[in-house]
Amino acid sequence: AQSVAQPEDQVNVAEGNPLTVKCTYSVSGNPYLFWYVQYPNRGLQFLLKYITGDNLVKGSYGFEAEFNKSQTSFHLKKPSALVSDSALYFCAVRDPGTASKLTFGTGTRLQVTL
Amino acid sequence: NAGVTQTPKFQVLKTGQSMTLQCAQDMNHEYMSWYRQDPGMGLRLIHYSVGAGITDQGEVPNGYNVSRSTTEDFPLRLLSAAPSQTSVYFCASSPRTGGLAGGRDGNEQFFGPGTRLTVL
Repeated sequence: AQSVAQPEDQVNVAEGNPLTVKCTYSVSGNPYLFWYVQYPNRGLQFLLKYITGDNLVKGSYGFEAEFNKSQTSFHLKKPSALVSDSALYFCAVRDPGTASKLTFGTGTRLQVTL
Repeated sequence: NAGVTQTPKFQVLKTGQSMTLQCAQDMNHEYMSWYRQDPGMGLRLIHYSVGAGITDQGEVPNGYNVSRSTTEDFPLRLLSAAPSQTSVYFCASSPRTGGLAGGRDGNEQFFGPGTRLTVL
């Protein structure tokens, strides 16, 4: 069975500093990995994904993530945080053989302060 | 395009009542899914569909029914509401670019705005 772990319930960072939101996964084959963001009282918005190819993927709003197969990780990063980045972030994994079945992590709340 | 729409936005039910949460998408996506979001548990898959007439169970299907008579619509039915079904429900869709049995397309899912359900 596939699973995702987001070990931090909350990450606090000052505006302008780099941020990292951690994600590790477990899946039987080569994974499809996704990051989504949720703003208060809204649905989830897609940020970026890793399917194959370059281990460093770039996404929306200046976010990027690095796929590390040996460490089974897919950490979300941004070089310079903004207050407007404050939101709930979800990592998700899909086994390519499982159609549309996404498994989500429990989410990490990012708080960016001035 | 309206994307993925869900109705109602809010609903309060009494234990034992039944209701249907509506989900529609206008992007001609084959894949559609229903998730519930509970604090500290992320999103959990309830039911999903890979095309009209085809549905399957997800991680937490008990107490819910679905059908997919058209590509556009994917309603979720609560047969007899229980307080444990108090949650926020999200519908999502994604296109299928691979074969029906494959799912190897890697397309991201598009989410609706959610329905907040309270069961008393």
